[in-house]
Amino acid sequence: QKEVEQNSGPLSVPEGAIASLNCTYSDRGSQSFFWYRQYSGKSPELIMFIYSNGDKEDGRFTAQLNKASQYVSLLIRDSQPSDSATYLCAVNNRVAGANNLFFGTGTRLTVIP
Amino acid sequence: DTEVTQTPKHLVMGMTNKKSLKCEQHMGHRAMYWYKQKAKKPPELMFVYSYEKLSINESVPSRFSPECPNSSLLNLHLHALQPEDSALYLCASSQAQTGREQYFGPGTRLTVT
Repeated sequence: QKEVEQNSGPLSVPEGAIASLNCTYSDRGSQSFFWYRQYSGKSPELIMFIYSNGDKEDGRFTAQLNKASQYVSLLIRDSQPSDSATYLCAVNNRVAGANNLFFGTGTRLTVIP
Repeated sequence: DTEVTQTPKHLVMGMTNKKSLKCEQHMGHRAMYWYKQKAKKPPELMFVYSYEKLSINESVPSRFSPECPNSSLLNLHLHALQPEDSALYLCASSQAQTGREQYFGPGTRLTVT
């Protein structure tokens, strides 16, 4: 059973602070890692993907991957109230010639004005 | 352009009805997916089409029948559903190569009465 685990939260941070979201995965063969943001009642929106160990930055978002520790994280700098959402960590595994995403249960983030 | 469209946005159907959900993308992606998402849960994979062929069927009941008429379109035919099938149905697409990012459509909110 491939597992992706996240702290379900809720995680509350004040506006302007750094929000840190964490995710661990069980399948050491996983190669691709994704962070999706999902607002209540909406569909998941891809905000970051990372394939190699290290950090990847895009605007206020930084994804960090450590394959040896089977750990992936998302940092949100200068958090804004509009960042309040559920953040889903997803790990890709190739099954039967197609990509299969395994999702964590999500971390609910609240940014307090 | 990373747009995946889905119709209808909302659907209410009785247990004896037959209806279809539609999904379309024009990004040249050759992999398309159906997911089911219940409230406060992560998306669950239902079906994967790769190069218009069904490659993954995650033990979904036969009352759900997928169809991929061409590389841009994906349908999900519904028949004799149960109230517990009420959920948000999400379509996604990606390049077919290993580990590529999946982009979700806005979803269809289905209620079975």
